[in-house]
Amino acid sequence: KAGVTQTPRYLIKTRGQQVTLSCSPISGHRSVSWYQQTPGQGLQFLFEYFSETQRNKGNFPGRFSGRQFSNSRSEMNVSTLELGDSALYLCASSLKENSPLHFGNGTRLTVT
Amino acid sequence: GENVEQHPSTLSVQEGDSAVIKCTYSDSASNYFPWYKQELGKGPQLIIDIRSNVGEKKDQRIAVTLNKTAKHFSLHITETQPEDSAVYFCAASLYTGNQFYFGTGTSLTVIP
Repeated sequence: KAGVTQTPRYLIKTRGQQVTLSCSPISGHRSVSWYQQTPGQGLQFLFEYFSETQRNKGNFPGRFSGRQFSNSRSEMNVSTLELGDSALYLCASSLKENSPLHFGNGTRLTVT
Repeated sequence: GENVEQHPSTLSVQEGDSAVIKCTYSDSASNYFPWYKQELGKGPQLIIDIRSNVGEKKDQRIAVTLNKTAKHFSLHITETQPEDSAVYFCAASLYTGNQFYFGTGTSLTVIP
């Protein structure tokens, strides 16, 4: 079974721009979560989608948004990028609630 | 919300020795506790997990123990090998929702 696929692997953007990251979950997994990983803050929950509906949202500003499509693929968008948005963005899928998260290898975003 | 603390932040052991990583959590409603291993350039990978109705779980050289009363859980790796060198994260999840709270990570180095 193919794992979680995230594209692109690396992104370099300028302050003020916006960016879209993509995630394809494991086949059959309907829950997709997004996490931000930084050296200082560790892994921070952004949001979780299940069957195209956002079920949970972490403590991030409204510049961070996401969506899920009918095939369970998900995208997250960050608008008006700030230097502090530089991080590894991880997508994870799971079969159901309270079950193991399966992570992709992440998208490394650098904001200059 | 839930708060997960993890210690130590770095750990060096000689090959063949044991390694122990400890985590505490704050919300007694948390009932699922996975452990992840993250290698350089990759996303976290699940190595073992435990649910609140179980006190201990073993998988070959890896074991996890849970003390619900004290609200702490630990990862034990025996007969460590150089390939065990990585960053390890503990996490906690409440029964409702699919939001995980992660510890800040332990960088384990196994010295050959």
